[in-house]
Amino acid sequence: GENVEQHPSTLSVQEGDSAVIKCTYSDSASNYFPWYKQELGKRPQLIIDIRSNVGEKKDQRIAVTLNKTAKHFSLHITETQPEDSAVYFCAASLSGTASKLTFGTGTRLQVTL
Amino acid sequence: NAGVTQTPKFRVLKTGQSMTLLCAQDMNHEYMYWYRQDPGMGLRLIHYSVGEGTTAKGEVPDGYNVSRLKKQNFLLGLESAAPSQTSVYFCASRMTSGAPPRGGSYNEQFFGPGTRLTVL
Repeated sequence: GENVEQHPSTLSVQEGDSAVIKCTYSDSASNYFPWYKQELGKRPQLIIDIRSNVGEKKDQRIAVTLNKTAKHFSLHITETQPEDSAVYFCAASLSGTASKLTFGTGTRLQVTL
Repeated sequence: NAGVTQTPKFRVLKTGQSMTLLCAQDMNHEYMYWYRQDPGMGLRLIHYSVGEGTTAKGEVPDGYNVSRLKKQNFLLGLESAAPSQTSVYFCASRMTSGAPPRGGSYNEQFFGPGTRLTVL
C-alpha cells in the first residue's frame, strides 16, 4: 500500500517568514495530493490540493509543488501569520480507489511574533 | 447545512464494553470514511463506504465494525473495547457528482468534529 512520509515534525518560524513542509510518497500511481490544516481541538480542513497532471498550484500565500519523478510534494506558506499556527497533514491517494487517503504524520507549525 | 456531524463528542469506556459512534452528513455524499488519529501517527483509515449498503476495510480495521444502512449515516462499532482503541475518531465524507462548493475541491473530504474516546 501507499506510504507517506512527512518532514519536519515540528517547525518554528517568525512571523513574516516562509515555511516549507515536505512529503514523499511510495506509490507512483498516486495522483491526488491534498494538504489539510488542523487547529488545536478542531477537525482537519483542506487548504490546498494538487493533481498529478499539474506541477504547481498557488492560492494566495499558500502553494504546493509536486515532483512526480522524485515522488515528493511540498507545501509553501509565505508571509506567515500567527493564525497559520496549526498542524499540517499531507496525504496521497489514487483516483478510482474510493479516494482513500494515506496521511503523513503531520507537522506542527508555530509562528512566533 | 450542518455538514458532517458526529455523536457523541466524548466517551469513556471500560475495557470490554461496546459502543457505536454515529456519523451523519447532509450533503448527499456517496463516499464516507472513518479515521482514527493518534499522537504522532496522523490519521489512519479504519473503514470506508462507497455507497449505501457497502463497506470496506481500510488500513486499521481490526476491532471495529461499520454499517451504512442509510446514505447519510455511517456507524462505527466497537464490540469489545480495548485500551489500544483510545483515540480521536474522525468521520469524513466526499462528493462523487455535481459541482464542488465555491472555492472547494471536487476531491475534498469533509471531516466531522471528532469523537474523543478513552478506554480504561
